Amino acid sequence: NAGVTQTPKFQVLKTGQSMTLQCAQDMNHEYMSWYRQDPGMGLRLIHYSVGAGITDQGEVPNGYNVSRSTTEDFPLRLLSAAPSQTSVYFCASSYGTGSYTEAFFGQGTRLTVV
Amino acid sequence: GQQVMQIPQYQHVQEGEDFTTYCNSSTTLSNIQWYKQRPGGHPVFLIQLVKSGEVKKQKRLTFQFGEAKKNSSLHITATQTTDVGTYFCAGTLRNFGNEKLTFGTGTRLTIIP
Repeated sequence: NAGVTQTPKFQVLKTGQSMTLQCAQDMNHEYMSWYRQDPGMGLRLIHYSVGAGITDQGEVPNGYNVSRSTTEDFPLRLLSAAPSQTSVYFCASSYGTGSYTEAFFGQGTRLTVV
Repeated sequence: GQQVMQIPQYQHVQEGEDFTTYCNSSTTLSNIQWYKQRPGGHPVFLIQLVKSGEVKKQKRLTFQFGEAKKNSSLHITATQTTDVGTYFCAGTLRNFGNEKLTFGTGTRLTIIP
C-alpha cells in the first residue's frame, strides 16, 4: 500500500501566486486533514474532512481552501501565497472519526514563498 | 493560543541516559496520542491513551495519562541513537469538537554518543 501520498515534495512560489498541494490516500479512510509545521509551533490544523463532500476549518484556515470530492483525495489550495505561508505541510488520514484513531501522515511538502 | 504545550522544547542527553517529555493541556482531553518524527521525516504514531491515570509501556518507552486528563508524559529509559527525533503529543480537546486532533509544540531529542 502507498498509504498517504503528497505532491510535490518541494515548491517555491512567488508572493501572490496560487497553487494546489495534492494529497491522496489508498486506505479508504473517511477522515483527512491538513497541518502546517513551523519551528516551535508543533503541527497546526488547517482544514479537515470527515468524509467526501464535508470539510471544516481547523486552527489556521485563513488563506487556504480545501475540497473533498472523493474519499481518496483532499487537495489544499493556496489562493494567493504569502511569505507567512512558508512552512512544511503535512496531509494525514485516519479511520473513523479521526481524532480517536491513528493518523497516517504523508511525507510532507516543503513550501517556500519568496 | 496554543492549547497543548510540551516541555522541554529541546533536550540533549548522553546515550544511555533517560529522557522525559511532558505534555500539558489547558483543557480536559478526551484522549492523548504520541507521535515520533525523525529528522526530515513525517510524524509516526506511537500510542494512544484514553483512560484517566492510564500507563502503557512499549519496550523502553513508558506513557502516562494524568488523573485529570490534562497532562501526559513520555519517558524513555536508557536512550539510544535511534531515539533521536521530535516527540509530539496530540489530543482531542473536550468541547472543541470530536474530530479535531490538537498537537503539542513538540520536544526535540538529540543524543550525544
